[in-house]
Amino acid sequence: DAGVIQSPRHEVTEMGQEVTLRCKPISGHDYLFWYRQTMMRGLELLIYFNNNVPIDDSGMPEDRFSAKMPNASFSTLKIQPSEPRDSAVYFCASSLSLVYEQYFGPGTRLTVT
Amino acid sequence: DQQVKQNSPSLSVQEGRISILNCDYTNSMFDYFLWYKKYPAEGPTFLISISSIKDKNEDGRFTVFLNKSAKHLSLHIVPSQPGDSAVYFCAASEGGSQGNLIFGKGTKLSVKP
Repeated sequence: DAGVIQSPRHEVTEMGQEVTLRCKPISGHDYLFWYRQTMMRGLELLIYFNNNVPIDDSGMPEDRFSAKMPNASFSTLKIQPSEPRDSAVYFCASSLSLVYEQYFGPGTRLTVT
Repeated sequence: DQQVKQNSPSLSVQEGRISILNCDYTNSMFDYFLWYKKYPAEGPTFLISISSIKDKNEDGRFTVFLNKSAKHLSLHIVPSQPGDSAVYFCAASEGGSQGNLIFGKGTKLSVKP
């Protein structure tokens, strides 16, 4: 398996623009997670899905953030409108179960100017 | 409030010596602990884990120790190799429906040749 795939790897956008990050989990994994990594807050869980259903979105910072998982092999994280404080590395991860090993993608480095 | 704390942002060790990375937690409900390793421009990769029913788990050069009474765990790498230079994240989970992984902020390990 190719592992968790994320695109784009880098995204630079201007404040106010819409940003869409994409993730393809490992085939057969029932759980998908979106994380954000910043220097100040470390690695934070934003939202996770089980069998394509959002289970816990309490980590989503505000209404500008939304995530979808239309099928088992694809998920998006959208920020609209984007702000400079959204600049971070966003990771997608997947796993077979909730509590055990999660497999991370390479991340998307987002810069909002 | 941080539930998982890695108080040393960085650690430098000579090749061949032991590396000891520490992690403290505050939530007594955590029952599963993991260590992840992260290289620059890559996502975290799972390294080793331990359940709260054990106090030690070993995998090759890597050993994780858990002291439940002190709410402390540590990762030992023996012998350390230059390729071990990376950021190491400690993570913990309550299990069950509250099984989200909570990550520490990481410790950057540098192994000098």
